[in-house]
Amino acid sequence: NAGVTQTPKFQVLKTGQSMTLQCAQDMNHEYMSWYRQDPGMGLRLIHYSVGAGITDQGEVPNGYNVSRSTTEDFPLRLLSAAPSQTSVYFCASSYSKLALIQYFGAGTRLSVL
Amino acid sequence: RKEVEQDPGPFNVPEGATVAFNCTYSNSASQSFFWYRQDCRKEPKLLMSVYSSGNEDGRFTAQLNRASQYISLLIRDSKLSDSATYLCVVNSATGGSYIPTFGRGTSLIVHP
Repeated sequence: NAGVTQTPKFQVLKTGQSMTLQCAQDMNHEYMSWYRQDPGMGLRLIHYSVGAGITDQGEVPNGYNVSRSTTEDFPLRLLSAAPSQTSVYFCASSYSKLALIQYFGAGTRLSVL
Repeated sequence: RKEVEQDPGPFNVPEGATVAFNCTYSNSASQSFFWYRQDCRKEPKLLMSVYSSGNEDGRFTAQLNRASQYISLLIRDSKLSDSATYLCVVNSATGGSYIPTFGRGTSLIVHP
């Protein structure tokens, strides 16, 4: 049972480039979410989804897009990368739409130069 | 003011010590509460849920005080392996969804 899988683990981008961070879970969880973690800031919610076809914004959505075409996958798109998006990104999933216990992927470390 | 606040520490304690962390939250309508543990450069993992009546899991005890809007985590007989950052999480209803809000974490260092 793989749980929550994030790819890539590391990425370096130049300002203005776009890319997609992948997230997949094999637990048939309804709830999926993306966070960013910056030093001294804790985890901040970017976007979340309570099921296929349903997404909503979290605390810091600007500069990011998401879609949820299947239960398993929840990709995060950076449209035009900026240095302020340098961070560690975590994807998480939960069996409950109430976002109770969350299971996290191993994270993607992104640097934008 | 952040919705969920924790003392960042670090709390530096010897093995065998008892240590307690508090976490305050501002939304009185918050519904569910959790403690997560995060090791350096790793993902957060659930340590325990926090129930209204308080709950215990081995050396760990969690308490919820709704009147004063805080949750606590008590670790007894600290082990070197307890060294980590402890994150409190508060779930609040927003529209039809529940939004988890993480505290910034409390760092614990257990030394020999």
